[in-house]
Amino acid sequence: TQLLEQSPQFLSIQEGENLTVYCNSSSVFSSLQWYRQEPGEGPVLLVTVVTGGEVKKLKRLTFQFGDARKDSSLHITAAQPGDTGLYLCAGEGGGGSNYKLTFGKGTLLTVNP
Amino acid sequence: NAGVMQNPRHLVRRRGQEARLRCSPMKGHSHVYWYRQLPEEGLKFMVYLQKENIIDESGMPKERFSAEFPKEGPSILRIQQVVRGDSAAYFCASSLGTAGTTEAFFGQGTRLTVV
Repeated sequence: TQLLEQSPQFLSIQEGENLTVYCNSSSVFSSLQWYRQEPGEGPVLLVTVVTGGEVKKLKRLTFQFGDARKDSSLHITAAQPGDTGLYLCAGEGGGGSNYKLTFGKGTLLTVNP
Repeated sequence: NAGVMQNPRHLVRRRGQEARLRCSPMKGHSHVYWYRQLPEEGLKFMVYLQKENIIDESGMPKERFSAEFPKEGPSILRIQQVVRGDSAAYFCASSLGTAGTTEAFFGQGTRLTVV
Protein backbone atom coordinates (compact mmCIF):
# COMPACT_ATOMS: atom_id res chain seq x y z
CA THR A 1 0.00 0.00 0.00
CA GLN A 2 1.39 3.36 -0.99
CA LEU A 3 1.34 6.06 1.63
CA LEU A 4 1.84 9.79 1.54
CA GLU A 5 2.81 11.29 4.87
CA GLN A 6 2.10 14.97 5.37
CA SER A 7 3.62 17.10 8.07
CA PRO A 8 2.82 18.92 10.15
CA GLN A 9 -0.73 17.72 10.64
CA PHE A 10 -1.77 21.05 12.17
CA LEU A 11 -0.20 24.48 11.83
CA SER A 12 -1.36 27.73 13.39
CA ILE A 13 0.55 30.89 12.54
CA GLN A 14 0.18 34.66 12.53
CA GLU A 15 -0.51 36.69 9.45
CA GLY A 16 2.70 37.61 7.66
CA GLU A 17 4.69 34.56 8.72
CA ASN A 18 6.22 32.06 6.32
CA LEU A 19 5.58 28.34 6.46
CA THR A 20 6.49 25.08 4.78
CA VAL A 21 4.48 21.87 4.70
CA TYR A 22 5.86 18.55 3.59
CA CYS A 23 4.63 15.51 1.72
CA ASN A 24 6.77 12.37 1.84
CA SER A 25 6.52 8.87 0.48
CA SER A 26 8.66 5.81 -0.03
CA SER A 27 7.01 5.35 -3.44
CA VAL A 28 7.71 7.06 -6.73
CA PHE A 29 4.86 8.89 -8.42
CA SER A 30 4.63 10.04 -12.00
CA SER A 31 3.28 13.35 -10.74
CA LEU A 32 2.16 14.96 -7.54
CA GLN A 33 -0.69 17.35 -7.00
CA TRP A 34 -1.43 19.84 -4.25
CA TYR A 35 -5.00 20.68 -3.34
CA ARG A 36 -6.63 23.11 -0.95
CA GLN A 37 -9.88 22.12 0.70
CA GLU A 38 -12.11 24.47 2.67
CA PRO A 39 -14.66 23.23 5.22
CA GLY A 40 -17.70 21.72 3.54
CA GLU A 41 -16.16 21.91 0.09
CA GLY A 42 -14.32 19.64 -2.30
CA PRO A 43 -10.57 19.76 -2.98
CA VAL A 44 -9.45 22.43 -5.43
CA LEU A 45 -6.32 21.75 -7.43
CA LEU A 46 -3.50 24.24 -6.86
CA VAL A 47 -0.68 22.75 -8.89
CA THR A 48 0.67 19.60 -10.51
CA VAL A 49 4.40 18.86 -10.46
CA VAL A 50 5.74 16.26 -12.84
CA THR A 51 9.49 16.46 -13.21
CA GLY A 52 11.93 15.54 -10.43
CA GLY A 53 13.40 18.73 -9.00
CA GLU A 54 10.66 20.87 -10.49
CA VAL A 55 9.75 24.12 -8.77
CA LYS A 56 6.50 25.94 -9.49
CA LYS A 57 5.36 29.26 -8.12
CA LEU A 58 1.80 30.45 -7.72
CA LYS A 59 1.87 33.98 -6.32
CA ARG A 60 3.03 33.50 -2.69
CA LEU A 61 3.03 29.70 -2.95
CA THR A 62 6.11 27.76 -4.03
CA PHE A 63 5.86 24.04 -4.77
CA GLN A 64 8.82 21.72 -5.14
CA PHE A 65 8.96 18.11 -6.32
CA GLY A 66 11.86 16.04 -5.00
CA ASP A 67 14.54 14.83 -7.36
CA ALA A 68 13.46 11.22 -6.87
CA ARG A 69 9.76 12.12 -7.25
CA LYS A 70 8.95 10.71 -3.82
CA ASP A 71 8.44 13.90 -1.88
CA SER A 72 7.25 17.45 -2.24
CA SER A 73 6.97 20.66 -0.28
CA LEU A 74 4.73 23.69 -0.28
CA HIS A 75 6.12 26.98 0.97
CA ILE A 76 3.86 29.96 1.63
CA THR A 77 5.38 33.40 2.00
CA ALA A 78 3.72 36.10 4.09
CA ALA A 79 0.67 33.99 4.91
CA GLN A 80 -2.73 35.65 4.97
CA PRO A 81 -5.97 34.63 6.72
CA GLY A 82 -7.36 33.70 3.31
CA ASP A 83 -4.73 30.95 3.11
CA THR A 84 -6.49 29.10 5.93
CA GLY A 85 -7.56 25.63 4.85
CA LEU A 86 -6.64 21.98 4.54
CA TYR A 87 -3.73 21.40 2.19
CA LEU A 88 -3.64 17.97 0.60
CA CYS A 89 -0.98 16.34 -1.50
CA ALA A 90 -1.87 13.50 -3.85
CA GLY A 91 0.36 11.22 -5.85
CA GLU A 92 -0.62 10.09 -9.30
CA GLY A 93 0.49 7.02 -11.16
CA GLY A 94 0.99 4.71 -8.23
CA GLY A 95 0.20 1.00 -8.26
CA GLY A 96 0.40 0.79 -12.01
CA SER A 97 -2.62 3.00 -12.64
CA ASN A 98 -2.33 6.49 -14.06
CA TYR A 99 -5.74 7.63 -12.86
CA LYS A 100 -5.78 6.73 -9.18
CA LEU A 101 -4.81 9.48 -6.76
CA THR A 102 -3.22 8.54 -3.43
CA PHE A 103 -3.90 11.31 -0.93
CA GLY A 104 -2.12 12.29 2.25
CA LYS A 105 -4.16 13.15 5.33
CA GLY A 106 -3.47 16.82 4.90
CA THR A 107 -2.07 19.77 6.80
CA LEU A 108 -4.70 21.97 8.45
CA LEU A 109 -3.40 25.53 8.28
CA THR A 110 -4.85 28.36 10.32
CA VAL A 111 -3.59 31.88 9.69
CA ASN A 112 -4.59 34.25 12.46
CA PRO A 113 -5.04 37.96 11.71
CA ASN B 1 -19.67 25.76 -17.61
CA ALA B 2 -20.96 24.27 -14.40
CA GLY B 3 -18.56 22.29 -12.31
CA VAL B 4 -19.04 18.80 -10.95
CA MET B 5 -22.42 18.71 -9.24
CA GLN B 6 -23.12 16.38 -6.39
CA ASN B 7 -26.39 15.93 -4.57
CA PRO B 8 -27.54 15.86 -2.00
CA ARG B 9 -24.92 17.90 -0.12
CA HIS B 10 -26.00 16.33 3.15
CA LEU B 11 -27.73 13.01 3.67
CA VAL B 12 -28.91 11.45 6.91
CA ARG B 13 -29.86 7.81 6.95
CA ARG B 14 -30.81 5.40 9.70
CA ARG B 15 -28.88 2.16 10.01
CA GLY B 16 -30.17 -0.37 7.51
CA GLN B 17 -31.50 2.17 5.01
CA GLU B 18 -30.13 2.78 1.54
CA ALA B 19 -28.12 5.83 0.50
CA ARG B 20 -27.99 7.03 -3.10
CA LEU B 21 -25.40 9.66 -3.96
CA ARG B 22 -25.51 11.42 -7.32
CA CYS B 23 -22.78 13.02 -9.37
CA SER B 24 -23.15 14.97 -12.58
CA PRO B 25 -19.74 15.40 -14.20
CA MET B 26 -18.59 18.53 -15.92
CA LYS B 27 -19.98 18.97 -19.41
CA GLY B 28 -18.08 16.83 -21.87
CA HIS B 29 -16.40 14.72 -19.20
CA SER B 30 -16.87 10.98 -19.58
CA HIS B 31 -14.58 9.79 -16.76
CA VAL B 32 -15.89 9.74 -13.20
CA TYR B 33 -14.11 8.85 -9.95
CA TRP B 34 -15.54 8.39 -6.46
CA TYR B 35 -13.48 9.01 -3.31
CA ARG B 36 -14.40 8.68 0.36
CA GLN B 37 -13.05 10.93 3.10
CA LEU B 38 -13.38 9.63 6.62
CA PRO B 39 -12.93 12.01 9.58
CA GLU B 40 -9.24 12.83 9.99
CA GLU B 41 -8.33 10.60 7.06
CA GLY B 42 -7.23 11.37 3.56
CA LEU B 43 -9.40 10.81 0.55
CA LYS B 44 -9.47 7.16 -0.49
CA PHE B 45 -10.11 6.02 -4.03
CA MET B 46 -13.23 3.91 -4.42
CA VAL B 47 -14.13 3.46 -8.07
CA TYR B 48 -13.42 4.71 -11.58
CA LEU B 49 -16.14 4.64 -14.21
CA GLN B 50 -16.61 5.59 -17.80
CA LYS B 51 -19.99 5.77 -19.48
CA GLU B 52 -21.71 2.42 -18.89
CA ASN B 53 -18.49 0.78 -17.70
CA ILE B 54 -16.80 0.18 -14.38
CA ILE B 55 -13.09 0.43 -15.06
CA ASP B 56 -11.66 -0.07 -11.58
CA GLU B 57 -13.62 -0.77 -8.41
CA SER B 58 -10.66 -1.94 -6.35
CA GLY B 59 -11.36 0.62 -3.63
CA MET B 60 -14.99 -0.31 -3.14
CA PRO B 61 -16.04 -2.48 -0.21
CA LYS B 62 -17.07 -5.87 -1.57
CA GLU B 63 -20.52 -5.79 -0.03
CA ARG B 64 -23.31 -3.21 0.07
CA PHE B 65 -21.55 -0.70 -2.22
CA SER B 66 -22.18 -0.32 -5.93
CA ALA B 67 -21.66 2.36 -8.54
CA GLU B 68 -22.92 3.06 -12.01
CA PHE B 69 -22.53 5.68 -14.71
CA PRO B 70 -25.35 5.16 -17.20
CA LYS B 71 -25.43 6.39 -20.76
CA GLU B 72 -27.84 9.09 -19.72
CA GLY B 73 -27.96 10.78 -16.36
CA PRO B 74 -25.63 11.14 -13.41
CA SER B 75 -23.28 8.65 -11.86
CA ILE B 76 -24.79 6.97 -8.80
CA LEU B 77 -22.98 5.60 -5.75
CA ARG B 78 -25.33 3.31 -3.88
CA ILE B 79 -24.83 2.06 -0.36
CA GLN B 80 -27.26 -0.55 0.85
CA GLN B 81 -28.03 -1.30 4.50
CA VAL B 82 -25.88 1.55 5.76
CA VAL B 83 -23.95 1.22 9.00
CA ARG B 84 -22.46 3.93 11.23
CA GLY B 85 -19.03 3.29 9.76
CA ASP B 86 -20.29 4.48 6.37
CA SER B 87 -20.58 8.02 7.74
CA ALA B 88 -18.13 10.06 5.68
CA ALA B 89 -17.83 12.66 2.96
CA TYR B 90 -18.09 11.15 -0.50
CA PHE B 91 -16.50 13.08 -3.33
CA CYS B 92 -16.91 12.67 -7.04
CA ALA B 93 -14.40 13.90 -9.59
CA SER B 94 -14.59 13.98 -13.37
CA SER B 95 -12.07 14.39 -16.14
CA LEU B 96 -12.07 14.83 -19.87
CA GLY B 97 -9.65 11.97 -20.36
CA THR B 98 -7.94 9.56 -18.04
CA ALA B 99 -7.02 11.53 -14.90
CA GLY B 100 -3.37 10.76 -15.40
CA THR B 101 -3.37 12.86 -18.56
CA THR B 102 -5.95 15.52 -17.86
CA GLU B 103 -6.98 17.35 -14.73
CA ALA B 104 -9.73 15.87 -12.58
CA PHE B 105 -12.18 18.31 -11.00
CA PHE B 106 -13.86 17.52 -7.70
CA GLY B 107 -17.41 18.20 -6.65
CA GLN B 108 -18.41 19.66 -3.30
CA GLY B 109 -19.16 16.26 -1.86
CA THR B 110 -22.04 14.53 -0.13
CA ARG B 111 -21.78 14.27 3.62
CA LEU B 112 -23.45 11.08 4.73
CA THR B 113 -24.42 10.68 8.36
CA VAL B 114 -25.75 7.35 9.55
CA VAL B 115 -27.70 7.51 12.79
